[in-house]
Amino acid sequence: NAGVTQTPKFRILKIGQSMTLQCTQDMNHNYMYWYRQDPGMGLKLIYYSVGAGITDKGEVPNGYNVSRSTTEDFPLRLELAAPSQTSVYFCASKGQGSTEAFFGQGTRLTVV
Amino acid sequence: KNEVEQSPQNLTAQEGEFITINCSYSVGISALHWLQQHPGGGIVSLFMLSSGKKKHGRLIATINIQEKHSSLHITASHPRDSAVYICAVCSGNTPLVFGKGTRLSVIA
Repeated sequence: NAGVTQTPKFRILKIGQSMTLQCTQDMNHNYMYWYRQDPGMGLKLIYYSVGAGITDKGEVPNGYNVSRSTTEDFPLRLELAAPSQTSVYFCASKGQGSTEAFFGQGTRLTVV
Repeated sequence: KNEVEQSPQNLTAQEGEFITINCSYSVGISALHWLQQHPGGGIVSLFMLSSGKKKHGRLIATINIQEKHSSLHITASHPRDSAVYICAVCSGNTPLVFGKGTRLSVIA
């Protein structure tokens, strides 16, 4: 049981490049979340999903896209990377009816 | 939207000291989480509580639902406790809302 797995752990992107941050969980959780963490700030919600085929915007969705074609996977897509997207990204998941959340190890992204 | 405030923002303690980190929130919740994040590391869940008190080793978490306040205590602090401690709350199936974290440094 691996929990929540994020890849890559680190990435440097040039302005305008695109990339996908991968997140997968093996706990059959319905709920999955993407957060970003900036220095001195709390984690902010980018997008979330309450089940396969359903996604919704969080607090800071601009510049990102997500999809949820399966229960296990919830990739986060950056289409045109900007320096403002330099951050640490965390994926999390939660089971239906549970309040316990599980976090991935994070992806440190730098856009230069 | 729930507003989560943590205090202090930064805390430096001598090894062995008793430490308290506070968290308050603005709207009623179903659960409150205390999380730990080491430098360069991922986020680890320490406690999840909806009432009363929980203890795990040298860590104690309490919550007062009426006052919308929680505290995390560390007894006999140690340098390995140095980390960022984060409070997060949720209501039902809503996404977690996070505080900004408290950066703790314990000096030997």
